[in-house]
Amino acid sequence: DGGITQSPKYLFRKEGQNVTLSCEQNLNHDAMYWYRQDPGQGLRLIYYSQIVNDFQKGDIAEGYSVSREKKESFPLTVTSAQKNPTAFYLCASKSLAQAYEQYFGPGTRLTVT
Amino acid sequence: GQSLEQPSEVTAVEGAIVQINCTYQTSGFYGLSWYQQHDGGAPTFLSYNGLDGLEETGRFSSFLSRSDSYGYLLLQELQMKDSASYFCAVPSGNTPLVFGKGTRLSVIA
Repeated sequence: DGGITQSPKYLFRKEGQNVTLSCEQNLNHDAMYWYRQDPGQGLRLIYYSQIVNDFQKGDIAEGYSVSREKKESFPLTVTSAQKNPTAFYLCASKSLAQAYEQYFGPGTRLTVT
Repeated sequence: GQSLEQPSEVTAVEGAIVQINCTYQTSGFYGLSWYQQHDGGAPTFLSYNGLDGLEETGRFSSFLSRSDSYGYLLLQELQMKDSASYFCAVPSGNTPLVFGKGTRLSVIA
């Protein structure tokens, strides 16, 4: 089955540690995205990539970093510089030929204490 | 820039009909999408309106009026499982979707 996988589902870290969230897709989509979701805030875009080895900052990129070395993979690193990292993180992808439909992974709930 | 406005919460009775509105302001418009998200889950695509008018998919319908910069999602024969958050979103060519803040629908018996 084609889809997007994110791991782990739940992640706990101590303040001051960097943490990397995994996102893999086998849909052959060119574009991939990372969103952050907080209660009542909707979906806020962190970073996106439309082609391998290229990515752009979204609305809330500070304290985050990404890489896109393979078409299938778009990991997100939450650095210690992110002031409030506890949130639900969603990865998504879409075909550039069908711009209106994004496919989402199941999400990673990160808790930093 | 782009912005979308939708009500934060809506409550409706099981078996009834509910309409969730979305107004938008965009620089360049390609259509309006709708997504459903259950608590703790991922958003899933519901519908897309690229042209004015009504699109129907089973119990769900979506409407778009470009001249009014307005759309809505209509849910009929509400079921308890329809309790979720619903997001309108605007695609902008090859750039990421811009999402509204979501409407939390509570279906009550």
